[in-house]
Amino acid sequence: DAKTTQPPSMDCAEGRAANLPCNHSTISGNEYVYWYRQIHSQGPQYIIHGLKNNETNEMASLIITEDRKSSTLILPHATLRDTAVYYCIVKTGANNLFFGTGTRLTVIP
Amino acid sequence: GAVVSQHPSRVICKSGTSVKIECRSLDFQATTMFWYRQFPKQSLMLMATSNEGSKATYEQGVEKDKFLINHASLTLSTLTVTSAHPEDSSFYICSARPRGLGYEQYFGPGTRLTVT
Repeated sequence: DAKTTQPPSMDCAEGRAANLPCNHSTISGNEYVYWYRQIHSQGPQYIIHGLKNNETNEMASLIITEDRKSSTLILPHATLRDTAVYYCIVKTGANNLFFGTGTRLTVIP
Repeated sequence: GAVVSQHPSRVICKSGTSVKIECRSLDFQATTMFWYRQFPKQSLMLMATSNEGSKATYEQGVEKDKFLINHASLTLSTLTVTSAHPEDSSFYICSARPRGLGYEQYFGPGTRLTVT
């Protein structure tokens, strides 16, 4: 599976949009981009995934560049409960999930 | 939907004893279940993958005789840490992949194991 690069930490003001970037320059054509988050001392929570089109659900939006070498997870109105470590993972559908170090997002009141 | 539970949520045991952790998919059948371990301030590390009715597949460096995995039904997998030592103290998290619904994985809340 392709490797991903994420900033180690980010801050976001409460109520503002949180934009979390992820680089995956070695992604191959059949690999999806998945986003999970882990709130302290809990199991990871699935957020969203996509292949090449932008995706939106009730939690977030996923913007994937046309060349698919990077993506951005957008939390449109961050709340304090969105403080967590966010993991961007690239993999084919059937392959296992391997977690990198992620981005620690802190939402500030 | 797609809820995964773990039991116990926390366990403290003495060095040398064995501990069993259960992982259940509550509202779906899981053909595949996964076990992860997470040390403080580190990311999740995949330990093993198990399919119902067959032997687990362990990741490199994970001792299969120490971490026994049983996936006896489509809704239950167990991880037994045998002869636990303080260095086995960690946060153990399971996840489950629903049968026939693509490749999403749903995670349990984790079990905090402390070996004294």
